[in-house]
Amino acid sequence: DQQVKQNSPSLSVQEGRISILNCDYTNSMFDYFLWYKKYPAEGPTFLISISSIKDKNEDGRFTVFLNKSAKHLSLHIVPSQPGDSAVYFCAAGGETSGSRLTFGEGTQLTVNP
Amino acid sequence: DAGVTQSPTHLIKTRGQHVTLRCSPISGHKSVSWYQQVLGQGPQFIFQYYEKEERGRGNFPDRFSARQFPNYSSELNVNALLLGDSALYLCASSHSDSAGANVLTFGAGSRLTVL
Repeated sequence: DQQVKQNSPSLSVQEGRISILNCDYTNSMFDYFLWYKKYPAEGPTFLISISSIKDKNEDGRFTVFLNKSAKHLSLHIVPSQPGDSAVYFCAAGGETSGSRLTFGEGTQLTVNP
Repeated sequence: DAGVTQSPTHLIKTRGQHVTLRCSPISGHKSVSWYQQVLGQGPQFIFQYYEKEERGRGNFPDRFSARQFPNYSSELNVNALLLGDSALYLCASSHSDSAGANVLTFGAGSRLTVL
């Protein structure tokens, strides 16, 4: 049962343009969502999070949008930079589930110069 | 400040053997979690320990076990290794036992190959 899904294994964009990474979930009990970025040979690095009671959170070039009715969230990166090239994971958790996060499969973002 | 450190970084074992992976959390973090990442998939939750007590367990067989020490470091043990146990094993630490207000910080992982 894949409760968090990232349907696009890969995404390629030009430097300076917008990158939009998508994530769908099935469990309406999730209380918060996070995006992590992973470079090869490194652990996942936290990017940005959003509570289920909000619909948008912004941090510099990164914005996460949450559509609870559609059980969908997206990460926008504007403007995209070559250093953003990495695997991006969407993750979800609950207030009563400790540090148990449910991750999606990941999307490989490539930003071309 | 040192981040989450894991050892060893890489190791190769054969089927049926046993492996122990180690993790040191960020100083001051009392919660340690273990995740398994198989190639092409996202990390999957194995265990969480907080103040030396198990706080959560994922859908993994009893061959997987873990413990947390008084200094909050942790070990993950896997017995009777199978080929399917080949994966990147990630350790994460946080201040509290809830990831909601305290984001997980991951180590670089231990890459296990089972032949």
